[in-house]
Amino acid sequence: DIQMTQSPSTLSASVGDRVTITCRASQSIRNWLAWYQQKPGKAPKLLIQKASTLESGVPSRFSGSGSGTEFTLTISSLQPDDFATYYCQQYNDYSRLTFGGGTKVEIK
Amino acid sequence: QVQLVESGGGVVQPGRSLRLSCGASGFTFSDYAMHWVRQAPGKGLEWVAVISHDGSRKYYTDSVKGRFTISRDNSKNTLFLQMNSLRTDDTAVYFCAKDPRIAVAVAAGFFDYWGQGTLVTVSS
Repeated sequence: DIQMTQSPSTLSASVGDRVTITCRASQSIRNWLAWYQQKPGKAPKLLIQKASTLESGVPSRFSGSGSGTEFTLTISSLQPDDFATYYCQQYNDYSRLTFGGGTKVEIK
Repeated sequence: QVQLVESGGGVVQPGRSLRLSCGASGFTFSDYAMHWVRQAPGKGLEWVAVISHDGSRKYYTDSVKGRFTISRDNSKNTLFLQMNSLRTDDTAVYFCAKDPRIAVAVAAGFFDYWGQGTLVTVSS
């Protein structure tokens, strides 16, 4: 299976900061990558698919980039509602789907 | 609006069975592949299984192959996960999730809507 490695695992930041989370795939997944946001006790929410396509209703401060094996999720100006855990997920093969380990964004 | 509601979780002894259900509404259920994803307490997300829109194709993560069976009843807009030979490491919140690809191929492979999850605890 394709291994997905996220970094950092925890990130401390302040409101207004620019935040970048990295996701690396163990082999090329072209641009078949999604990002999710999860808050405690809740289901994940889809933010971005196909590496950079923002889902409807997701604030424009979120953006995604990358292709092949290196991807990033950027929050341009962190808002109080953004403190959560973020996961990347590859879907290069729909029968063998894998997630990154998650990045928890905490209040500094 | 799309709604997914899981049920059937609970506490079960190792080696026993449990059947999860996921009721769907707000979209044409029979047009979309569906997935199960789980999350062990305090851990990350793990994809479990996918079923095509018509139920003809099913795929599983290696750790549940031969023990879990995904199925669906399109007449009742319901997704199922039959879990047999449960192990302590199957303890998790189980989410059902909708695939965004409509009735073409098996699935896109990501998840545009999720249920709230149901907790399965495997313990003696």
